[in-house]
Amino acid sequence: DAGVIQSPRHEVTEMGQEVTLRCKPISGHNSLFWYRQTMMRGLELLIYFNNNVPIDDSGMPEDRFSAKMPNASFSTLKIQPSEPRDSAVYFCASSFGQSNQPQHFGDGTRLSIL
Amino acid sequence: QQPVQSPQAVILREGEDAVINCSSSKALYSVHWYRQKHGEAPVFLMILLKGGEQKGHEKISASFNEKKQQSSLYLTASQLSYSGTYFCGTGASVMDSSYKLIFGSGTRLLVRP
Repeated sequence: DAGVIQSPRHEVTEMGQEVTLRCKPISGHNSLFWYRQTMMRGLELLIYFNNNVPIDDSGMPEDRFSAKMPNASFSTLKIQPSEPRDSAVYFCASSFGQSNQPQHFGDGTRLSIL
Repeated sequence: QQPVQSPQAVILREGEDAVINCSSSKALYSVHWYRQKHGEAPVFLMILLKGGEQKGHEKISASFNEKKQQSSLYLTASQLSYSGTYFCGTGASVMDSSYKLIFGSGTRLLVRP
């Protein structure tokens, strides 16, 4: 079975550019999570969706970040404009959305903003 | 609020045992344990739900003490493949059909031959 698929795997871009990260969750999962991981801050939850609806975006750092889930099989995380401090590994995870169900992580997108 | 993991790092010889603790200042409904190897995604190990369950996965087991708001991960007879960073994630049920996890800062484990 296919796991969570993220693209691109690596992204290097210049400060000020728009960045779009993509995620395809595991088929049948109804919850989707976006995380950011850095050495300084660890693994932070940015936003999560349940049944395509954003439930909690309190972790989104600022208005430059936005996320959408137009359907059950696709989500995007957009940064506009990007800044060097946004450099991190961004993970998408999906689950069946109950406390007794594991979250399955994608391989992540390693983002470098120059 | 982020759970606190201890120790921050541990070095073992192959075959030795280790315990990793995860404590929360909030009431726990569930505790998830994940392992992440360098350059890879976190991989699910096990879930514990309130009720004091102990679960096992090969030679890795965990306990959940609801009263102490704490979970412990036990690695016995460690193998080289156990090396990585271990994260606990504490769950709060926001609504019936969804939940979010808050992850601890991780415990780095290195198993040497």
